[in-house]
Amino acid sequence: AQSVTQLDSQVPVFEEAPVELRCNYSSSVSVYLFWYVQYPNQGLQLLLKYLSGSTLVKGINGFEAEFNKSQTSFHLRKPSVHISDTAEYFCAVIAGNTPLVFGKGTRLSVIA
Amino acid sequence: KAGVTQTPRYLIKTRGQQVTLSCSPISGHRSVSWYQQTPGQGLQFLFEYFSETQRNKGNFPGRFSGRQFSNSRSEMNVSTLELGDSALYLCASSHIGKETQYFGPGTRLLVL
Repeated sequence: AQSVTQLDSQVPVFEEAPVELRCNYSSSVSVYLFWYVQYPNQGLQLLLKYLSGSTLVKGINGFEAEFNKSQTSFHLRKPSVHISDTAEYFCAVIAGNTPLVFGKGTRLSVIA
Repeated sequence: KAGVTQTPRYLIKTRGQQVTLSCSPISGHRSVSWYQQTPGQGLQFLFEYFSETQRNKGNFPGRFSGRQFSNSRSEMNVSTLELGDSALYLCASSHIGKETQYFGPGTRLLVL
């Protein structure tokens, strides 16, 4: 069965600094990969996805992620964060016929 | 297009009661999945319905059940509520279930 590991549970970063949220997955079959963001008291909003094609995918709010098959990683990056990016971020994977599996989440705190 | 809607948004029940949550998917989406989110366990898959049939089921006791109607709307039911059932219940819809899922705002259930 596939699994997702988000290596950092909390990431503090100063406003306008770059950030990288790390995600590794394990699966023996090809995967679809996703990053979702959750603001307080809200559902999940899709940031970006990798289904096939270019390994560098761009999403909303200036985020991007790179699929690295050899390292089984899908790290999320933003070159300059804003206070409004403070939220919880979830990496998720679909492999084969199995349902969507989520990581434990990374809480991003942007400091003014 | 309207997004995924969930009703009610908030619910307070006591132990032993039962509860029914409702989810209306994005128009044209035929797959509906349900997830439970708690601080301790994170996001866990409950079940998925496609064209009124349960296609996948997570590792939850039989007290958790669901169904899907011909218009793709879905309900989930939890019988004999326990304190540990307190959680945010999220519904997600997609065209056929094996690609991008779009989430509703969730129903926050508190069991006293």
